[in-house]
Amino acid sequence: AQTVTQSQPEMSVQEAETVTLSCTYDTSESDYYLFWYKQPPSRQMILVIRQEAYKQQNATENRFSVNFQKAAKSFSLKISDSQLGDAAMYFCAYRSTGNTPLVFGKGTRLSVIA
Amino acid sequence: GAVVSQHPSRVICKSGTSVKIECRSLDFQATTMFWYRQFPKQSLMLMATSNEGSKATYEQGVEKDKFLINHASLTLSTLTVTSAHPEDSSFYICSARDNGVRGYTFGSGTRLTVV
Repeated sequence: AQTVTQSQPEMSVQEAETVTLSCTYDTSESDYYLFWYKQPPSRQMILVIRQEAYKQQNATENRFSVNFQKAAKSFSLKISDSQLGDAAMYFCAYRSTGNTPLVFGKGTRLSVIA
Repeated sequence: GAVVSQHPSRVICKSGTSVKIECRSLDFQATTMFWYRQFPKQSLMLMATSNEGSKATYEQGVEKDKFLINHASLTLSTLTVTSAHPEDSSFYICSARDNGVRGYTFGSGTRLTVV
C-alpha cells in the first residue's frame, strides 16, 4: 500500500519570506499523481497544486511550486512571498491512476508571522 | 468549476440516534465518491469508496453496518451514522472525482457531535 510521510508537524515563516514543506511517499507504481492541499480553519480542502508522475517538469501555480524528485520519491512544496492567508494545515497526498482515493500525509501546520 | 455540496455542515445528535450526511455533485456526475473522517488535528482517513449503483467498499476497521453508504444516483451519495455514540463524533468529508483538470473536489465537511 502507498504511504505518504510529512516529517514536519509544524512550520513557521515570516511574511514575504519563502518556506518549503517536505513530503516523501512510498509506492511501487510508476504512474501516479501527487497533490498538495491546504486546509484553513474552515476545514475546506483546497487544492494548491498537483503533479503528474510522468511529467518531469515541476508544477507551478503562482507563488506555489513543487520540487518533484521521482527517484527519491520526494515531493516538496515551496511557498514564495508568504502571506498571512497562507497560514493553514497543508496535506501532501498521493493517488494512483483510475478511480482511486487520495492517500494523505499527516499534515504540516504552517504559521505565518507578520 | 466542479462543486460538491455537503449537508449538514454541523449536527448534534443524541446517543443511539442516526444521522444522515448528504453529498451532492452540483454540476457534474460523480460515479465515485469517497468518504473520509478527520479527528481534530489529524489527517483525513478514508472510510469508504462509494460507487453509483453498487455497494460501497469499506476500509479495514470501518463498520459497514454502522456507517451506511448509499450512492443511488450519479449526483448524490449519503453517509448514515447509525446508533451514534460519542466516539463517532468527528469531522466527515466527502470527495468526488470530477474528471476535470483538478481531479477531485471536496465537500465542505460535516462536524458531527454525539451527546
